[in-house]
Amino acid sequence: KNEVEQSPQNLTAQEGEFITINCSYSVGISALHWLQQHPGGGIVSLFMLSSGKKKHGRLIATINIQEKHSSLHITASHPRDSAVYICAVRRPGTYKYIFGTGTRLKVLA
Amino acid sequence: GAGVSQSPRYKVAKRGQDVALRCDPISGHVSLFWYQQALGQGPEFLTYFQNEAQLDKSGLPSDRFFAERPEGSVSTLKIQRTQQEDSAVYLCASSLEVAGASYEQYFGPGTRLTVT
Repeated sequence: KNEVEQSPQNLTAQEGEFITINCSYSVGISALHWLQQHPGGGIVSLFMLSSGKKKHGRLIATINIQEKHSSLHITASHPRDSAVYICAVRRPGTYKYIFGTGTRLKVLA
Repeated sequence: GAGVSQSPRYKVAKRGQDVALRCDPISGHVSLFWYQQALGQGPEFLTYFQNEAQLDKSGLPSDRFFAERPEGSVSTLKIQRTQQEDSAVYLCASSLEVAGASYEQYFGPGTRLTVT
């Protein structure tokens, strides 16, 4: 079993829909990152969380430390949101990040 | 430059050749990470530098992989005697992170290595 699991693996949505991507982890963490990767492109850091909730534009990220779970929400989705979204966690006292396999999102116009 | 740069962007190597991949982090960033990303997978940690010190190399898959950052800025990942299973995108990231605190990582565009 992977230490970081994401769901769903693939997601197709219509433009304007509200989207939720989930990340569950089985280890203690000091921080959780949400990343975005466009096809053929580099990776962009969206959020870094250690508790609570963060919002940036149409993106909202939440984390529940007790339940070892985080969600990334996209409101009013747009085709330009189509990308792979990756969750990564960092173990306390280490420099190593553990990545999920990503959720491939496609938003149709 | 404003961001993390990597070179070359694409590299084709014959099995058994040695390759060197370069990463130029954002100026002033203390931390530098190397990751390996196989097709359709998430990145996997290879190694971490804090300035010139390699503090974690637990993710390097074999002794054919070697990384250095001699002056605490530019880093080079070297792969000796490349094998087909080394084919992947190699990503570099840098951050201001120090003393175990977590900061945002800035990723380079990656080097796509294909071993034939």
